[in-house]
Amino acid sequence: DAGVTQSPTHLIKTRGQHVTLRCSPISGHKSVSWYQQVLGQGPQFIFQYYEKEERGRGNFPDRFSARQFPNYSSELNVNALLLGDSALYLCASSLGGGRGFNEQFFGPGTRLTVL
Amino acid sequence: RKEVEQDPGPFNVPEGATVAFNCTYSNSASQSFFWYRQDCRKEPKLLMSVYSSGNEDGRFTAQLNRASQYISLLIRDSKLSDSATYLCVVIEEGYKLIFGSGTRLLVRP
Repeated sequence: DAGVTQSPTHLIKTRGQHVTLRCSPISGHKSVSWYQQVLGQGPQFIFQYYEKEERGRGNFPDRFSARQFPNYSSELNVNALLLGDSALYLCASSLGGGRGFNEQFFGPGTRLTVL
Repeated sequence: RKEVEQDPGPFNVPEGATVAFNCTYSNSASQSFFWYRQDCRKEPKLLMSVYSSGNEDGRFTAQLNRASQYISLLIRDSKLSDSATYLCVVIEEGYKLIFGSGTRLLVRP
């Protein structure tokens, strides 16, 4: 079975541009979470989507937005890019729903460089 | 104050050594705790859950002290393949993974 896939693997943008990152969860998983990992730090929670609805949002500005599609894949959009947005963007999928924690499986990430 | 704090290391140890990592968390209401492993330029992967009673998985032992809000990971008989960054993780609201900055381990021959 395929794991979590993300595209593109690498991306270079300039300040002020917009970027869209994509994620396909593990088959059967209905929840997708996005994390930002700046070099030398641990991943930081951005969003979680479950059944196409936003379940939670981390402390990120409105320039960051996301959505989940009927097939449970997801997009993360970042507008008006800043140099500080350079990071590894990780997508994690989980079964989602119910009570208690569902293990989150991470994709390989998209490495974004903003010049 | 960061929600999850770890010593960044690096810890540089010889093969066969025992090494311990510590982590503290600020939210006393946190209920679930984990250790993740992240290899260089790779994604994090779940290493093990952490339970109040302590739990062991082969050479790895995790401990939780709720009163002190302290989590530990002990690695015995270190292998070269254990070289990685170890991330302490606390779950909030049942689904948000709150990561520490990670502790880097280098195991030398």
